[in-house]
This record gives sequence, C-alpha cells and structure tokens, in this order.
Amino acid sequence: KQEVTQIPAALSVPEGENLVLNCSFTDSAIYNLQWFRQDPGKGLTSLLLIQSSQREQTSGRLNASLDKSSGRSTLYIAASQPGDSATYLCAALFMEYGNKLVFGAGTILRVKS
Amino acid sequence: SQTIHQWPATLVQPVGSPLSLECTVEGTSNPNLYWYRQAAGRGLQLLFYSVGIGQISSEVPQNLSASRPQDRQFILSSKKLLLSDSGFYLCAWASSGVKETQYFGPGTRLTVL
Repeated sequence: KQEVTQIPAALSVPEGENLVLNCSFTDSAIYNLQWFRQDPGKGLTSLLLIQSSQREQTSGRLNASLDKSSGRSTLYIAASQPGDSATYLCAALFMEYGNKLVFGAGTILRVKS
Repeated sequence: SQTIHQWPATLVQPVGSPLSLECTVEGTSNPNLYWYRQAAGRGLQLLFYSVGIGQISSEVPQNLSASRPQDRQFILSSKKLLLSDSGFYLCAWASSGVKETQYFGPGTRLTVL
C-alpha cells in the first residue's frame, strides 16, 4: 500500500530560523510530489510541485527537494516568519494510483515572534 | 482564471438527516474532480473522484455518495448522516490527462450532532 509519512508532526521555532520539514513515501514510482499549505479552517494552497524527473523546486523562501531512490522529500523554509505558521502537507501522485494524490498527515508549524 | 466554489461553508445537522454539499469549478472544462474529508488531527482522506460526467469512483465504503450532473459540478450526498460523518470536506479539481497539481476549494465544516 502506498503511504506518505511526515515528520515532525508539530514544530515550533523562533522567527528568523531556517527549518526543514520531512516527507517520506513508500513507492518510488511517482509522477510528482507536491507540498501544500493549510491555514486553520481553510482549504489547501499549492506551494511547490516537483515532477519525478526533477530534483528540486524553489519559490521565494521555499525550496523543496526530491530523492526518489530513498523515497524522501524535504521542504526548506528560509528565514521563517510568523506568517508561515500553518499546517504543511505533502502528497505523492503514485503511478499505481493514476489520478489520486496520497497525503501525509501534515506538520503543524508555529513560528514565534 | 479558474476558481472553485464550495457551499455551504459550515453546516450543523442532526444524526439521521440528509446531506448535500456542492462544488463548482469555473474557468476550465472537463476537469478531474475530487471529494476529500479531513477529520480532526488527521490527514486528507480521498472519498470520491470523477474524470467525467456521470463517472464516479468511490475510494472507501461509507455512508456517502457523489454525483456529477454537469461537467463542472460535483455533489456529495448522504441519505442519513452519522456522527462519524463530521469533519471538514474539501473539493478539488485538476486538469484532466495532466499530472499537475490539484486546486482546492475553501471547504465545508460539517458537524453532526
């Protein structure tokens, strides 16, 4: 069964710190790996999408990497800000599942001012 | 540009009552459509997905059903709600035939009492 796991489940850091969120997936046969942000009581916002042929993607202070062989992805947030506080979800589009994303349980991030 | 709408935003229903949640997408045609449920403290669970009008795939046996009466309309229903149906329901769309990101609606918070 294809699964996605995220660690840590929760993270609290002071403002300005660089941080890394981890995501692992059980099957390297993926089309892509996506990172989403969810604010409390809101829908999901797509942050970064890494195609299976890519190693990383960057958007502003965010950088996501993908290592298919080890089944891992990381989301790096530079110079964290209180506005970054949210739940971060990663999701894999496994080839066996076609059009269906499999989500991790998320990492709840709190950036303290 | 594409937009996705969900309503209602919040709903409180008694056990045994019927349910109808609606999702519509604007600015695209023939999208893949998805219904997810997010229970408190848990990740997103895919409930249904659709690749075309009248084509519905169910992911888990449950008390819910879905329909797609029009190309850009996706409806989640139940004849008799259970307490366990409480949660945050999210609709999403993605371009058909392309392994790209999914775009999520604002969600519906359902509380069954």
